[in-house]
Amino acid sequence: AQSVTQLDSQVPVFEEAPVELRCNYSSSVSVYLFWYVQYPNQGLQLLLKYLSGSTLVKGINGFEAEFNKSQTSFHLRKPSVHISDTAEYFCAVSDRGSQGNLIFGKGTKLSVKP
Amino acid sequence: NAGVTQTPKFQVLKTGQSMTLQCAQDMNHNSMYWYRQDPGMGLRLIYYSASEGTTDKGEVPNGYNVSRLNKREFSLRLESAAPSQTSVYFCASSEGRMGRGLNTGELFFGEGSRLTVL
Repeated sequence: AQSVTQLDSQVPVFEEAPVELRCNYSSSVSVYLFWYVQYPNQGLQLLLKYLSGSTLVKGINGFEAEFNKSQTSFHLRKPSVHISDTAEYFCAVSDRGSQGNLIFGKGTKLSVKP
Repeated sequence: NAGVTQTPKFQVLKTGQSMTLQCAQDMNHNSMYWYRQDPGMGLRLIYYSASEGTTDKGEVPNGYNVSRLNKREFSLRLESAAPSQTSVYFCASSEGRMGRGLNTGELFFGEGSRLTVL
């Protein structure tokens, strides 16, 4: 069964510094990949997604992620973070041709400090 | 545009009590989902409904039942609540199933229902 590993449960970073949130998934079969963000006391919203095509995908709020099939990774990056980026970030994967439900990682809490 | 609406937002139950979480979406989506979120566990799928009239178990269905009342509404019922069901519950919807038809791959989430079972 597919699984998702987010390697860091918490990432503290100073404002305007770059950040990378790491995500690996277990299966090498064709997949769809997503990053969702959850602000405090809110539901999740989509940051970006990889369905096919270019392996570098850009999302909202200046985030981007790169799909690396050989390393089964989908790391999220932002070159300069803002205080408002403080949130929990979830990586999710869905196998193509399967039931298609999203499998979520356990989340990474990003704390941006002034 | 309300999107996905969940009620209630907060609920406290005693062990053994029953309750129903309601969810409605106004985006004409075919698929709906119930997830639970626990600290350090991410989101785990309880039940889903790929289309009106169908429901299927997800990863953690025990202790729950669901009803897809119509295309808009998908309810989650706890028949006899247990402390292990203390969690934040999220309803979500999508246009369709992954890889099928017109599907952008995006889930739209409600704001969550925080349930405490004493």
